[in-house]
Amino acid sequence: GENVEQHPSTLSVQEGDSAVIKCTYSDSASNYFPWYKQELGKGPQLIIDIRSNVGEKKDQRIAVTLNKTAKHFSLHITETQPEDSAVYFCAASAQKLVFGQGTRLTINP
Amino acid sequence: DVKVTQSSRYLVKRTGEKVFLECVQDMDHENMFWYRQDPGLGLRLIYFSYDVKMKEKGDIPEGYSVSREKKERFSLILESASTNQTSMYLCASSFWGNNYGYTFGSGTRLTVV
Repeated sequence: GENVEQHPSTLSVQEGDSAVIKCTYSDSASNYFPWYKQELGKGPQLIIDIRSNVGEKKDQRIAVTLNKTAKHFSLHITETQPEDSAVYFCAASAQKLVFGQGTRLTINP
Repeated sequence: DVKVTQSSRYLVKRTGEKVFLECVQDMDHENMFWYRQDPGLGLRLIYFSYDVKMKEKGDIPEGYSVSREKKERFSLILESASTNQTSMYLCASSFWGNNYGYTFGSGTRLTVV
């Protein structure tokens, strides 16, 4: 079955800097790759997703890149703000979503 | 604007009790899922359902069962709660197919004492 590895487990950046979170997956049949943000006391919320026929997708300060050959995808957050502090999960789907272990992102003012 | 509702935010139960966690969605989604979330382990799938009265085991089904009598409701049952089932439980739903994101509830933090 699918296996998703996510790195790093914790990430601390200065406000205004960029943050990058990386994921690898094992099942070449996976064709849908969403990213979720989980704030304290809340359930994960979908923030951006990408499908296998696209190499990059951007939405304001966040972007996701996908390299199907290497089986890895990344989340990029630019101009980070304190409200970006949260736990972020990547996921990959061939039949159902398999999640990475999560990255706790802290933005330092 | 809440679309996936979990009946309790916090629960404290005793070892050996039968525990019911309820989840309701109002988006007419076919798929519903139960996950548990533990530090360092991410989200692990317990059970899922693609249709009414249908259920499939996920990665960690031992000690759990589920019920889906209506499309909008998916219940997770701990037949005899144990301390190692202390965790955050998350319900999610999605449209049928593998190309749709999930909508999660806010979670139920269960403590078994």
